[in-house]
Amino acid sequence: GENVEQHPSTLSVQEGDSAVIKCTYSDSASNYFPWYKQELGKRPQLIIDIRSNVGEKKDQRIAVTLNKTAKHFSLHITETQPEDSAVYFCAGGDSGSARQLTFGSGTQLTVLP
Amino acid sequence: EAQVTQNPRYLITVTGKKLTVTCSQNMNHEYMSWYRQDPGLGLRQIYYSMNVEVTDKGDVPEGYKVSRKEKRNFPLILESPSPNQTSLYFCASSQNRDYGDTQYFGPGTRLTVL
Repeated sequence: GENVEQHPSTLSVQEGDSAVIKCTYSDSASNYFPWYKQELGKRPQLIIDIRSNVGEKKDQRIAVTLNKTAKHFSLHITETQPEDSAVYFCAGGDSGSARQLTFGSGTQLTVLP
Repeated sequence: EAQVTQNPRYLITVTGKKLTVTCSQNMNHEYMSWYRQDPGLGLRQIYYSMNVEVTDKGDVPEGYKVSRKEKRNFPLILESPSPNQTSLYFCASSQNRDYGDTQYFGPGTRLTVL
């Protein structure tokens, strides 16, 4: 089955700096890679996703890049703000598989004012 | 309002006392899943369901049961809870594979087994 590894487990950045979280996956059949943000005490919420037919996707200050050859994908947050502080989870899966998604272990991002 | 609901939100119980956590979605989603979240381990899938009467094991199914008798409901059953099942549980649903895989999560159920 799929195995998704996520690094780092914790990340602190100064407000206004960029943050990068990286994930690797093992199953070459995986073709869908979402990122979820979980604020303290709340449910995970999808913030951006990418499919294997594209290499990069942006949404305002958030971007995700995918390298299929190396089997890794990354989340980039620019101009970080205190409200970006949360746990971020990457996930990977084969949209044709009933198993859907395998999640990474999460990254606690802290944006320091 | 499109949503996934779970009940109860918090539960403290004792070892061996059967319990059920309910999950319901109003989006007519085919796929539903249960995850448990533990510190440092991320979200691990317990069971999933492709549609009514179709369920299968995820990564950590031991000690859990599920059923899918109606499309909107996907209860999680712990027949004989043990302390190692103390965790935060999330139900999630998503549209069928033809429409993508965005998962919508419920608010979570924090379970403590004494």
